[in-house]
Amino acid sequence: GAGVSQTPSNKVTEKGKYVELRCDPISGHTALYWYRQSLGQGPEFLIYFQGTGAADDSGLPNDRFFAVRPEGSVSTLKIQRTERGDSAVYLCASSQTSGVQETQYFGPGTRLLVL
Amino acid sequence: AQSVTQLDSQVPVFEEAPVELRCNYSSSVSVYLFWYVQYPNQGLQLLLKYLSGSTLVKGINGFEAEFNKSQTSFHLRKPSVHISDTAEYFCAVRSYSSASKIIFGSGTRLSIRP
Repeated sequence: GAGVSQTPSNKVTEKGKYVELRCDPISGHTALYWYRQSLGQGPEFLIYFQGTGAADDSGLPNDRFFAVRPEGSVSTLKIQRTERGDSAVYLCASSQTSGVQETQYFGPGTRLLVL
Repeated sequence: AQSVTQLDSQVPVFEEAPVELRCNYSSSVSVYLFWYVQYPNQGLQLLLKYLSGSTLVKGINGFEAEFNKSQTSFHLRKPSVHISDTAEYFCAVRSYSSASKIIFGSGTRLSIRP
């Protein structure tokens, strides 16, 4: 596939559980971004990777949220002890480089519902 | 810090009528400006972007936007809309110095009436 893919497309979990959300960026893209979109809002930045390292994690809301990108391609967003307020669509985007003029290409998102 | 304001949460328009979606931004540094579109059950797609040069930017599907630095605005326009333009539209900014985040507005839902 040519675009950014995210799995699962939907995830329902119970309060207190642990979840992992996966992002497959466009092949060859070195920069990867995670955003969170709550109902009726625009996407909010969470974390950005350049290669394998998290270059900016200032958007992570608290230490229950963590993300990795061990081989510089696929990334996993991990949420511990989920809360109802974590319910949102989690979006992943990638760009060829981290240049500020680069276009970020977005995946379809993972819709997370915490009951 | 930057912020983006989209004053209209919903804009209903008749088919083939013109439309303008308003966007104002606030920033203490220079920014690049973007409009993204989100069709029902699809991911965000870049509609157009302003990086430099001409303040009138043309994008896909007949949309255009004009950057007005004095008014800190980047309004999106289309002279004649189609049913297929029904979607959520997001205005966004990215600072010259930021390699990471894009700051999005809260979105404007464009609904087209036949």
